[in-house]
Amino acid sequence: DAGVIQSPRHEVTEMGQEVTLRCKPISGHDYLFWYRQTMMRGLELLIYFNNNVPIDDSGMPEDRFSAKMPNASFSTLKIQPSEPRDSAVYFCASSERGGSLNTGELFFGEGSRLTVL
Amino acid sequence: AQSVTQLDSHVSVSEGTPVLLRCNYSSSYSPSLFWYVQHPNKGLQLLLKYTSAATLVKGINGFEAEFKKSETSFHLTKPSAHMSDAAEYFCVVSDPAGGYQKVTFGTGTKLQVIP
Repeated sequence: DAGVIQSPRHEVTEMGQEVTLRCKPISGHDYLFWYRQTMMRGLELLIYFNNNVPIDDSGMPEDRFSAKMPNASFSTLKIQPSEPRDSAVYFCASSERGGSLNTGELFFGEGSRLTVL
Repeated sequence: AQSVTQLDSHVSVSEGTPVLLRCNYSSSYSPSLFWYVQHPNKGLQLLLKYTSAATLVKGINGFEAEFKKSETSFHLTKPSAHMSDAAEYFCVVSDPAGGYQKVTFGTGTKLQVIP
C-alpha cells in the first residue's frame, strides 16, 4: 500500500502568493484530515472530510484558507494570499471508519513544509 | 466532551532506563486510544492502539500501554530506553460523536534520551 501521499514536500514562497498543497489518501478510506503543526501551537486540526464532504472546518484559521475534496482520492488545501505566519508543516491523514474495528486509526502523510518569506 | 491531557511536555531519561509517558483522557463513549510517535522532520507513525480488547496493549519497538478505565489513563511505557526512541509522542482519543469519528490529539511529549 502506498500510504498517504502529500505534495509538495517542501514549498518556499513569498508573501501574497497562492499556495496549494495536495493529498492523496489511502484507497478505501472515507475520512480525510488536514492538520497544521508549528512549534508555537503544536498540532492543530484544520478541517476534516467524510465521504468527500467537509464535516468540521472550525479549525481553518481564516478565509484565506480553503480546502476541497473533489473525489475520494484527492484533496487540496489552498492558502490565498499566503502570509509568513502560515509557515508550518501541513499534514494530511486518512482513516477508515467502516473498518472491522472502527477504531479511527489515522494514517499520516510525510507532510508539506511551507515557508512563506 | 472529549479531551486528552499529556501531563509532561518534556521527559528526559538515560539510555537503558525505563520510559513513562503519561496520558489521561475523558470521553463520553467507550473510546479508542492511540499513541503516535513523530521523529524529527517526519510524519506521525502509530505506536499502538487500544480498541476495547485487552487492556494491556503492546506496540512496536518494545513500547506498551495499559488502559485503566477507573483512572482514565493510558500511559505509555518501555522497560529500557534506546537512543532511537528520542522523538515526540502523542496520545490520541477517538470516539463516535454525532455519527462521525471525532479524533483529539494531546499536546505531545518530547522524549530526550541521554547517552
